[in-house]
Amino acid sequence: NAGVTQTPKFRVLKTGQSMTLLCAQDMNHEYMYWYRQDPGMGLRLIHYSVGEGTTAKGEVPDGYNVSRLKKQNFLLGLESAAPSQTSVYFCASSYTGGGGYTFGSGTRLTVV
Amino acid sequence: SQQGEEDPQALSIQEGENATMNCSYKTSINNLQWYRQNSGRGLVHLILIRSNEREKHSGRLRVTLDTSKKSSSLLITASRAADTASYFCATQHGGGGADGLTFGKGTHLIIQP
Repeated sequence: NAGVTQTPKFRVLKTGQSMTLLCAQDMNHEYMYWYRQDPGMGLRLIHYSVGEGTTAKGEVPDGYNVSRLKKQNFLLGLESAAPSQTSVYFCASSYTGGGGYTFGSGTRLTVV
Repeated sequence: SQQGEEDPQALSIQEGENATMNCSYKTSINNLQWYRQNSGRGLVHLILIRSNEREKHSGRLRVTLDTSKKSSSLLITASRAADTASYFCATQHGGGGADGLTFGKGTHLIIQP
């Protein structure tokens, strides 16, 4: 049972480049979330999904897009990367919206 | 915007001592959760306490919740070097909690051997 798997683990992008972060969970969870973690800021919610085919904006959605075509996968896209998007990105999932979350190990993204 | 605020921001104690961290929040909650994050790793769920509960235990962890003061505390008893990590409180609000947890900035705990 792998839990929540994020790929890639590290990435360096040039300003203006695009990329997709993949999150996969094998726990049949309905809810999935993307957070970013910056020094001194804690975790902030980017986008979330309450089921296959659904997505919604979180606290800091600008510059990101998401898709949930399959229940087990939640993709986070950066269309035109900016240095302000340098951060550690965490994916999480939960069986219900009111329970504990299972987190992935994170993707460290640097935009130069 | 951050909902929970942990206090202190950093805490250093000797192995074997108890560690207490506090969390305050601003608006009413469905539940409050505590997570641990080891350096360079993802967050691990420790314990969840619902708004109608006042205290909960899990192994060496004890969590209290005071909804009248909008605050919670996490007590780790008989600390070990392996407890060195950052600890975050996270609050879940209305609407079934589907719209995500709101995290505080964390308490960095160092256990001195």
